[in-house]
Amino acid sequence: AQSVAQPEDQVNVAEGNPLTVKCTYSVSGNPYLFWYVQYPNRGLQFLLKYITGDNLVKGSYGFEAEFNKSQTSFHLKKPSALVSDSALYFCAVRASNTGGFKTIFGAGTRLFVKA
Amino acid sequence: DAGVIQSPRHEVTEMGQEVTLRCKPISGHDYLFWYRQTMMRGLELLIYFNNNVPIDDSGMPEDRFSAKMPNASFSTLKIQPSEPRDSAVYFCASSPHREPPYEQYFGPGTRLTVT
Repeated sequence: AQSVAQPEDQVNVAEGNPLTVKCTYSVSGNPYLFWYVQYPNRGLQFLLKYITGDNLVKGSYGFEAEFNKSQTSFHLKKPSALVSDSALYFCAVRASNTGGFKTIFGAGTRLFVKA
Repeated sequence: DAGVIQSPRHEVTEMGQEVTLRCKPISGHDYLFWYRQTMMRGLELLIYFNNNVPIDDSGMPEDRFSAKMPNASFSTLKIQPSEPRDSAVYFCASSPHREPPYEQYFGPGTRLTVT
């Protein structure tokens, strides 16, 4: 069965500092991995995805994520955090070897960037 | 493109009443998803459609929930009768194709409160 774990309910970082939001996954076969962001009273918004190839994926708003197959991780990173990055972040996984389209979302990590 | 459109944005109803949530996916998208988000359970996939056909409804909690997609531009999620524990934010999302793996585009959600 597919699963996603986001071990931190909240991450606090000062503006200008690097940030990391952690994600680990479990899936049969090769994974497709996604990060989404949710601002208050809004739907989820796609940030980036890993399908295959380069383990470092770059996405919107300066975010990037590193796929690590041996550690089954897909941590979200940004070199310099902005106050406007404060939001709820979701990691998601979909198995590549199934006929379905079911994507499993993590519980979410709230990022708080302090000015 | 207007994005995924959901209506109503807010719905307050009394226990026992029928509730219908509506969704218009992005034109040309083959897949449509219904999710429910609560603090306790996070983001749950309820059902998804491919080309208007329900593919996986294993996440539908009870027979009180039903979903239809009569055409490519419209879907409904109905709860009858509604109960207080159905209170949540319901999201509709759409996606272009299965392969290569596309991200999902979420609507703004419908906040349902059942009293």
